[in-house]
Amino acid sequence: DIQLTQSPSFLSASVGDRVTITCRASQVVTSYLAWYQQKPGKAPNLLIYGASTLQTGVPSRFSGSRSGTEFTLTISSLQPEDFATYYCQQLNSYLIAFGQGTRLEIK
Amino acid sequence: QLQLQESGPGLVRSSETLSLTCTVSGGSINSDTYYWGWIRQSPGKGLEWIGSIYYTGDTYYNPSFKSRITMSIDTSKNRFSLRLSSVTAADTAVYYCARRRIELWAGFDPWGQGSLVTVSS
Repeated sequence: DIQLTQSPSFLSASVGDRVTITCRASQVVTSYLAWYQQKPGKAPNLLIYGASTLQTGVPSRFSGSRSGTEFTLTISSLQPEDFATYYCQQLNSYLIAFGQGTRLEIK
Repeated sequence: QLQLQESGPGLVRSSETLSLTCTVSGGSINSDTYYWGWIRQSPGKGLEWIGSIYYTGDTYYNPSFKSRITMSIDTSKNRFSLRLSSVTAADTAVYYCARRRIELWAGFDPWGQGSLVTVSS
């Protein structure tokens, strides 16, 4: 089974900051990785799929990339509505795994 | 616009079977383009994939649940279901249903609003 490890687990930042969240896979994988944003009491919202493709309607300040087994979600300039929890998700051999989440809070 | 809605008992006794249904509106579940999945989130915890089902009835389960889980699909009623047997307090969670395209790069979108299921002793 693939294990996904996100870092950091908790991140404190200010409006306007550039932030990066990393998701590391336990084994060599393809680019079948997605990123989600979840706000308290709400269902997750798909931000990025295929490691780097922005879902329709998602602001362009969000971006995703991959280097080997490391995937990155970047928010170029934090907005107040971006403070939430972010999850990565991987598909491998029809099995799906989620990272443990990164909570992004206002400094 | 496609919408998913979970329904089922909010309280289940320990050792019994949890049953949830996800009703899809605004689109057909009888499609070869999508998988339909269940994901749960224990209080204050992260997301956990439970399983996915295709319109043909083919299922893909998280090995962690495999001995306790049954998923089914009813294309005539445009809904799919989850049954999780022998529940314990550890199964207390918000259960979400969601759609995912069949392409390997796809993510889950959209999601239902979630259904809180509490397991009582």
